[in-house]
Amino acid sequence: DAKTTQPPSMDCAEGRAANLPCNHSTISGNEYVYWYRQIHSQGPQYIIHGLKNNETNEMASLIITEDRKSSTLILPHATLRDTAVYYCIVRNGRNQGGKLIFGQGTELSVKP
Amino acid sequence: GAVVSQHPSWVICKSGTSVKIECRSLDFQATTMFWYRQFPKQSLMLMATSNEGSKATYEQGVEKDKFLINHASLTLSTLTVTSAHPEDSSFYICSAYMTGKTEAFFGQGTRLTVV
Repeated sequence: DAKTTQPPSMDCAEGRAANLPCNHSTISGNEYVYWYRQIHSQGPQYIIHGLKNNETNEMASLIITEDRKSSTLILPHATLRDTAVYYCIVRNGRNQGGKLIFGQGTELSVKP
Repeated sequence: GAVVSQHPSWVICKSGTSVKIECRSLDFQATTMFWYRQFPKQSLMLMATSNEGSKATYEQGVEKDKFLINHASLTLSTLTVTSAHPEDSSFYICSAYMTGKTEAFFGQGTRLTVV
């Protein structure tokens, strides 16, 4: 699976959009971009995933560049409860059940 | 959504004793489950892949005789930390996939403290 690079930390004001970048320049054609987050002392939670088209669900939006070498997770109206470590992971999406390798992630702090 | 539950949520044990952590998929069957370990301020580290009805596959550097994994049914995997020592104190997390889904579902984690 391709490696990802994320900034170690970011701040965001409550109510504003949080834009979390991820670089995955070595991504291959059959690899998807997955985002998970981990709130302190809890297990990770799935957020969203995509291949090449932008995706949106009730939690977030995922914007993937045309060359697929980077992506941005957008939390449109961040709340204090969105404070967490966000992990961007690239893996073969058709390989159901494959193991996940976590990088260091981005620690997002949402401030009042 | 799919629910994965771990038990206990936290445990304190004496050095030299063994402790068992359970991981259950509550509303789906999982032929494969994964065990992770996380030290403070660090990311999750994959320890092993638990396969129902067969031996677990351990990641490089993880002692299989110390971290015993049993996946006896399609809804339960257990991790036993044998002869625990203070350096085994950590946050242990399991995950599983639901058929038809490509995203993993995680348990809430188990905080192990060895004193």
